[in-house]
Amino acid sequence: RKEVEQDPGPFNVPEGATVAFNCTYSNSASQSFFWYRQDCRKEPKLLMSVYSSGNEDGRFTAQLNRASQYISLLIRDSKLSDSATYLCVVSLMNRDDKIIFGKGTRLHILP
Amino acid sequence: DAGITQSPRHKVTETGTPVTLRCHQTENHRYMYWYRQDPGHGLRLIHYSYGVKDTDKGEVSDGYSVSRSKTEDFLLTLESATSSQTSVYFCAISLGRAQETQYFGPGTRLLVL
Repeated sequence: RKEVEQDPGPFNVPEGATVAFNCTYSNSASQSFFWYRQDCRKEPKLLMSVYSSGNEDGRFTAQLNRASQYISLLIRDSKLSDSATYLCVVSLMNRDDKIIFGKGTRLHILP
Repeated sequence: DAGITQSPRHKVTETGTPVTLRCHQTENHRYMYWYRQDPGHGLRLIHYSYGVKDTDKGEVSDGYSVSRSKTEDFLLTLESATSSQTSVYFCAISLGRAQETQYFGPGTRLLVL
């Protein structure tokens, strides 16, 4: 099983719709979780951290399910500007300080 | 804005030549990283640094070396560039250890002919 897995997409979603993607991770010792956004030909940028109790930032909601080892990102009322690749990031707090990036899920918001 | 710059932003070079990429930060953060990003592979860690003169290998370190003589600069060197090193290279810093948020520079697009 890959360390971090994401559906590569693309997800083609009409403007205003709600879209959700999941990311699964294999190491139960994983301790920190993030969603990054990457626009075409740009650097990744932090979208939001994912907390155990779930967290929301405007139209974005992130959730963590430790039992099933996945995190999710929900985008409500999607905008054209949400079109991007969303990277799932998992880190292990051990002596290796390992951080693992998923390959990303491509999202296209359609007008 | 984490104050990270990379130079050059674009480079075309020939197989066998040495190439050095520079990452510069203005925030005095301890941890710095070099990644490469390729289609189908996502971001892969090449080397990282946890302080001046303190560096360690990532998962794809073969063919690369790094140096950090000052807190603000982290250099990545391809000793003898190969076509397989054609990629987009990102530098990143983290405010603390690796498990904390990473902030990325704008990237360097390298083409090895």
